[in-house]
Amino acid sequence: GQNIDQPTEMTATEGAIVQINCTYQTSGFNGLFWYQQHAGEAPTFLSYNVLDGLEEKGRFSSFLSRSKGYSYLLLKELQMKDSASYLCAVRDFHSGNTPLVFGKGTRLSVIA
Amino acid sequence: KAGVTQTPRYLIKTRGQQVTLSCSPISGHRSVSWYQQTPGQGLQFLFEYFSETQRNKGNFPGRFSGRQFSNSRSEMNVSTLELGDSALYLCASSLAGAPNTEAFFGQGTRLTVV
Repeated sequence: GQNIDQPTEMTATEGAIVQINCTYQTSGFNGLFWYQQHAGEAPTFLSYNVLDGLEEKGRFSSFLSRSKGYSYLLLKELQMKDSASYLCAVRDFHSGNTPLVFGKGTRLSVIA
Repeated sequence: KAGVTQTPRYLIKTRGQQVTLSCSPISGHRSVSWYQQTPGQGLQFLFEYFSETQRNKGNFPGRFSGRQFSNSRSEMNVSTLELGDSALYLCASSLAGAPNTEAFFGQGTRLTVV
């Protein structure tokens, strides 16, 4: 089966750093994605990890440990506009191109 | 380049009715996936179409069906609507092939069943 876990909600202060964790258990693994979704809007792509380690992209970084089935999204210098849901998704490889399996998302509130 | 377009944006239906939702993918994208999003369950995979064929299917009852046309546009249909079908239905398109291919989402169709 497939299981992807993320905290339901988090709150952080403007200018601070926040880490959103994601653990997964899937029958196969062919990459992990992070998406951002503002209320009432479509999810938008943030990052992709398939090898262990840290991928940095501006204020956002994503880390993956395949042996631990663990990833995190790190947001630095938080801004009010970062208030959104953050979705962790895994591509569970069986054969060919398989769809993304999503966690339930973490709702991040950035406060002044 | 136009994004993924879903129509209609909002829909109100009565229990027992059926509904058809439409998704136009990004030009050149041949893979279209459908997801149901609810506050309690998050994004749940419905099905994926590639070159007019259903390639993957999630764990939803047979009341949920879909199809893809030769121009890659896709429709999903829900028959005999139930109150629990109220949700945001999201369509995502992607280039086929590489596992690192990101999915691009449409704005979704908000379905309310009363």
